Amino acid sequence: QVVLVQSGGEVKEPGASVRVSCRTSGFDFTTKGISWVRQAPGQGLEWIGWISPYSGNTNYAQRFQGRVALTADKSTTTAYMDLRSLRSGDTAVYYCARDVWGCVGTTCSRTVDFWGQGTLVTVSS
Amino acid sequence: QAVVTQEPSLTVSPGGTVTLTCASSTGAVTSEDYPSWLQQKPGQPPRSLIYSTNNKHSWTPARFSGSLLGGRAALTLSGAQPEDEAEYYCLLYQGGRQIIVFGGGTKLTVL
Repeated sequence: QVVLVQSGGEVKEPGASVRVSCRTSGFDFTTKGISWVRQAPGQGLEWIGWISPYSGNTNYAQRFQGRVALTADKSTTTAYMDLRSLRSGDTAVYYCARDVWGCVGTTCSRTVDFWGQGTLVTVSS
Repeated sequence: QAVVTQEPSLTVSPGGTVTLTCASSTGAVTSEDYPSWLQQKPGQPPRSLIYSTNNKHSWTPARFSGSLLGGRAALTLSGAQPEDEAEYYCLLYQGGRQIIVFGGGTKLTVL
């Protein structure tokens, strides 16, 4: 079965960096994408970016450009999110999700179907 | 980047029907935005219910359906159950499918 398991919670000081990992299993890691999403306490979902583990290509939300880096290790089927220059507003639960794009004939579809359990990143001095 | 708007809250009676909608500031939502709907309950990660306008996953209860309605994406719940009380988020793929934009969420109360 498809499973995404994220690393444990982190507490960081302002200005520091954090790495969150997302270990996957149950599907071909190189044929799917991974999206990263965060949710601040009591707030809605916010998309951070996407990576293709096959090519390493990435897309980032504009507000995170220059501060986030998504990578993927095909040998361990694990995706990573690095966020630097942390500030209090980055306190949130961070999720990874499998992002699937496919076409059957001329009909295409896309979905983020399976999600990790979430990683709480707390930024506090 | 588009702003995606949902009703902040809705209430439905048990067994009743309710429609949640999702509008984009850039214009009509179309099938090429591949609208999706996610359900989230407190303390849990989101769960995808509907993708690419009206497609269901194997785990999606039959009472949920997706559509396009008057330039918006829509999620209809027919025969609401108490366990359907949750936050619902729509998701659009924009910028030539390069970026994802979430709606602000709709808090659905079954009462």
